[in-house]
Amino acid sequence: AQTVTQSQPEMSVQEAETVTLSCTYDTSESDYYLFWYKQPPSRQMILVIRQEAYKQQNATENRFSVNFQKAAKSFSLKISDSQLGDAAMYFCAYSPQGGSEKLVFGKGTKLTVNP
Amino acid sequence: EAQVTQNPRYLITVTGKKLTVTCSQNMNHEYMSWYRQDPGLGLRQIYYSMNVEVTDKGDVPEGYKVSRKEKRNFPLILESPSPNQTSLYFCASSLKGSLSGNTIYFGEGSWLTVV
Repeated sequence: AQTVTQSQPEMSVQEAETVTLSCTYDTSESDYYLFWYKQPPSRQMILVIRQEAYKQQNATENRFSVNFQKAAKSFSLKISDSQLGDAAMYFCAYSPQGGSEKLVFGKGTKLTVNP
Repeated sequence: EAQVTQNPRYLITVTGKKLTVTCSQNMNHEYMSWYRQDPGLGLRQIYYSMNVEVTDKGDVPEGYKVSRKEKRNFPLILESPSPNQTSLYFCASSLKGSLSGNTIYFGEGSWLTVV
């Protein structure tokens, strides 16, 4: 079974600085998607960024970028110029191939942004 | 506005009293699913549906039932709720599933407490 591991339960960063959240996953599939979701205190699930496994180029969305290392099964999220509004729980998620609409989530990393 | 609507958003109920959490989406999505979120465990899939009358178990289906009689609705049924089903529940939908890269839309969550 596929698993997603986020080894950092909590992280903190100073406002305007850069922080990297780690994620590793285990799968025997060659085609899949990886995601980072943000969950602010409102508990809403917000898609931050998505990466297709067959694409070598790392995805980027404004201040958010990923470092996707397929061979190492690593998918880290880098947040540049951190803002107070970035404070949230961040979940890494994997979507396996097979037709079922399923996300396998990591346990989350709580990010604190210090002013 | 594209949205996934869950009701109720907050509910306190007693052990053994049947309840239904409704989920409705207005995007004509084929895929719908239910997740539960528990502290330290991330989100785990309960059930999913690939289309009308097609449902299947996720990772934690025990104690839950679902039905998909209409494309837009995917209710979650707790026939005899128990305290270990106290959790935050999310309904999600997508056009063709995350495999195709389509965005997965989450509802705002339903807080359920079973006493």
